Amino acid sequence: QKEVEQNSGPLSVPEGAIASLNCTYSDRGSQSFFWYRQYSGKSPELIMFIYSNGDKEDGRFTAQLNKASQYVSLLIRDSQPSDSATYLCAVASGGGNKLTFGTGTQLKVEL
Amino acid sequence: EPEVTQTPSHQVTQMGQEVILRCVPISNHLYFYWYRQILGQKVEFLVSFYNNEISEKSEIFDDQFSVERPDGSNFTLKIRSTKLEDSAMYFCASSEAGTNEKLFFGSGTQLSVL
Repeated sequence: QKEVEQNSGPLSVPEGAIASLNCTYSDRGSQSFFWYRQYSGKSPELIMFIYSNGDKEDGRFTAQLNKASQYVSLLIRDSQPSDSATYLCAVASGGGNKLTFGTGTQLKVEL
Repeated sequence: EPEVTQTPSHQVTQMGQEVILRCVPISNHLYFYWYRQILGQKVEFLVSFYNNEISEKSEIFDDQFSVERPDGSNFTLKIRSTKLEDSAMYFCASSEAGTNEKLFFGSGTQLSVL
């Protein structure tokens, strides 16, 4: 059974701070890794993807991948109240595009 | 910006009835998917579809479920005889390619089985 684990939170950070969200996965054959943001009652919205070990930056977001440790993280710099949402880690493996999702981490950015 | 569209946004049905959920994927995308999310739970994979056939399906996707691409734009999920436990948000998604490719999700259909 392929698993993706996330701390459900809530993770509370003050406005302007860095939010750090973490994810571990069980399948060593996993090839691609995605972070989705989901507002309550809405659909997942893709915000970052990463395929190779190391860091990938896009604006205020940085995804980090460590395949040896089976660990993916998402950093959000200068957190804004509008970043308050549930962040879903998703992993694809087996050569296809079937995504296995974690339960998500709820982020609250406080004024 | 191109998006995946789903209809209806809400569907209420009686147990045992058939429902069809509809999706229009992004126009140049070739791979299509259905996921579902029971309230408070994970997003779960149901099925992937390419070249007019199912490429992969999960244990959830049993004989009560079917998918179809009836024309060049629509992609549908049919549940033949709905059960109470089918109540969930159903998301359609599409991607350009089938491997390591970004999935884009529609806004979802909230299915309530009474």
